[in-house]
Amino acid sequence: KQEVTQIPAALSVPEGENLVLNCSFTDSAIYNLQWFRQDPGKGLTSLLLIQSSQREQTSGRLNASLDKSSGRSTLYIAASQPGDSATYLCAVSGSGGSNYKLTFGKGTLLTVNP
Amino acid sequence: GAGVSQSPSNKVTEKGKDVELRCDPISGHTALYWYRQRLGQGLEFLIYFQGNSAPDKSGLPSDRFSAERTGESVSTLTIQRTQQEDSAVYLCASSPQGRQLGTPLHFGNGTRLTVT
Repeated sequence: KQEVTQIPAALSVPEGENLVLNCSFTDSAIYNLQWFRQDPGKGLTSLLLIQSSQREQTSGRLNASLDKSSGRSTLYIAASQPGDSATYLCAVSGSGGSNYKLTFGKGTLLTVNP
Repeated sequence: GAGVSQSPSNKVTEKGKDVELRCDPISGHTALYWYRQRLGQGLEFLIYFQGNSAPDKSGLPSDRFSAERTGESVSTLTIQRTQQEDSAVYLCASSPQGRQLGTPLHFGNGTRLTVT
C-alpha cells in the first residue's frame, strides 16, 4: 500500500527566505506526482504536476523535483511571501490501472511572517 | 470560467440522519472524484467516475455511503444513518480525463460535514 510522508509538518519562516518542503513515498511505481496548495476553508489548488519520466517542473518561484527511484520529491519556494502561507500537499498517482487515484500526504503547514 | 462547485459548503446533522452532498464539475470534464479529509489526516480517495459510471468505488468506507452521477455532470454523495466518525470535509474534483491522468485535478472548496 502506497504511503506518502511530508516533512516538516509545519514550518515558519521570515519573508524573503528560500525554503524546501519534502515529500517521500514508499512505492516508486507511480504515474505522476502533484503538489497542491490548500488555503483554510478552501479546496486544493494544483501547483505543479511531474510525470514519472520527468525530473522537475518549474512555475514562477516554485520548483518541484522528483527522484522516483528513491521515492522523494521536493518543492522549492524562492523568495517566500506572506501570501505563500498555506498548507502544501503532495500526492502521487498509482501506476497501471489505478493511475487516476491519488494518495496524499498529510501536508506541510507553511507560515511566512512579514 | 467556473470551477468545481460543491454544496452545501457546511452541513450540520444529527447522528442517524441521511445527508446528500452535491458536486458540479467543470463543464466537459469526464472524470469526477470524491475524496474525504478528516481532521489531521491526509485526503482519502472515496470514488471515481468516468462519465456516469463508477469503475472504482473501493474507497467508500461502508455501505452507508453511495454516490451517483448523471448527465456526465452533477454528482451526489449520499451518507445514510450518519455517524460521528463521518464528520470530515468532503472534496470533489474533476479532470478532463480519468485514466492516463496527465492533467491536474481541479478541486471544489468542499463540504464540511459535522455530525452531532
